[in-house]
Amino acid sequence: AQSVAQPEDQVNVAEGNPLTVKCTYSVSGNPYLFWYVQYPNRGLQFLLKYITGDNLVKGSYGFEAEFNKSQTSFHLKKPSALVSDSALYFCAVSLNTGFQKLVFGTGTRLLVSP
Amino acid sequence: DAGVIQSPRHEVTEMGQEVTLRCKPISGHNSLFWYRQTMMRGLELLIYFNNNVPIDDSGMPEDRFSAKMPNASFSTLKIQPSEPRDSAVYFCASSLAGLVNEQFFGPGTRLTVL
Repeated sequence: AQSVAQPEDQVNVAEGNPLTVKCTYSVSGNPYLFWYVQYPNRGLQFLLKYITGDNLVKGSYGFEAEFNKSQTSFHLKKPSALVSDSALYFCAVSLNTGFQKLVFGTGTRLLVSP
Repeated sequence: DAGVIQSPRHEVTEMGQEVTLRCKPISGHNSLFWYRQTMMRGLELLIYFNNNVPIDDSGMPEDRFSAKMPNASFSTLKIQPSEPRDSAVYFCASSLAGLVNEQFFGPGTRLTVL
């Protein structure tokens, strides 16, 4: 079965430090991978996606993600965290069903302290 | 662009009552998704439509739940009769059809069933 795993329920980082939110996937065929962010009392917002090509994908708000096929990972990164980055982050994989159907991870809460 | 519009934003009802949630997707998008988010189960896909046709409703919890999409600009999710365990935040999302296209989420409807 195709799935994604986010092994950390919460990640704590100090403002200005680099951050990493982890995601691993299990799919058959080529994976299409996504990161979304959810701020309190809001819907999910798209951050970035990997389709093909360069393994380092750049997205919104200074975030980037590195696709690693051998480790089946798609970790979200940012060189310097901001307090305003504190939110819930979801990794997702698109199922190869012919129609777009995303399977989401359980989410990782990022807490950036001043 | 107004984004995905959901109404109502909050709904409080009593057990046994009928609840109808509404969604207006982004104009031009031909895929629509209904999700439910709870602390216990995270983000669950309930049903999705492509070109107004339900493609996969395997996530609908039981017969008390039904969804319709009478035209490209409107969808409803109905719960009848409602139960306390239906309390959750319900999100509608839309996208262009295709495995690589990101979904755009509405602000959600917070449903409380007493």
